[in-house]
Amino acid sequence: AQSVAQPEDQVNVAEGNPLTVKCTYSVSGNPYLFWYVQYPNRGLQFLLKYITGDNLVKGSYGFEAEFNKSQTSFHLKKPSALVSDSALYFCAAPNNLFFGTGTRLTVIP
Amino acid sequence: KAGVTQTPRYLIKTRGQQVTLSCSPISGHRSVSWYQQTPGQGLQFLFEYFSETQRNKGNFPGRFSGRQFSNSRSEMNVSTLELGDSALYLCASSSTSGANNEQFFGPGTRLTVL
Repeated sequence: AQSVAQPEDQVNVAEGNPLTVKCTYSVSGNPYLFWYVQYPNRGLQFLLKYITGDNLVKGSYGFEAEFNKSQTSFHLKKPSALVSDSALYFCAAPNNLFFGTGTRLTVIP
Repeated sequence: KAGVTQTPRYLIKTRGQQVTLSCSPISGHRSVSWYQQTPGQGLQFLFEYFSETQRNKGNFPGRFSGRQFSNSRSEMNVSTLELGDSALYLCASSSTSGANNEQFFGPGTRLTVL
């Protein structure tokens, strides 16, 4: 069965520190992977995607994600967290049919 | 370009009733997908329509149905509502129905079943 998993329901990080939101996947075929962010009272917004090529994908708002085939992971990262990054983050794949359960990121001032 | 719009934004229904939700995709987008979002389950895929044809369907009972019109607008219907159907229903559109296409989400319709 195909799926994505986000092992952490909640991630807290201090402002200015690097952040990582984890995602692992189990898919057959090409692992097209996506990250979306949901701010309070708003719909999901696309952040970035991995299709093929470079394992490090850069996206919106300074976010990037590293695709690791051997570990079947696609972790979301940012070098320096902002308070405004506090939101709910979802990993998805493939065809956007499978979403993780979400990770709530809180950046502490 | 206007984003994805969903109507109504809020709905309150009682068990046994039925409900219809509407979604207007971004102009030019032909693929519309529906998702159910609940706190414990995250986002669960309901179905996808492309050019008025259902392309994919998630693991939901037959009470959940949808359709797409020639102008790409889509409706989702839930019949015989149950308490567990209370959720945020999100609609998303993309330009095509490809596996590598990102989606653009609407603000959602929050359905409460009493």
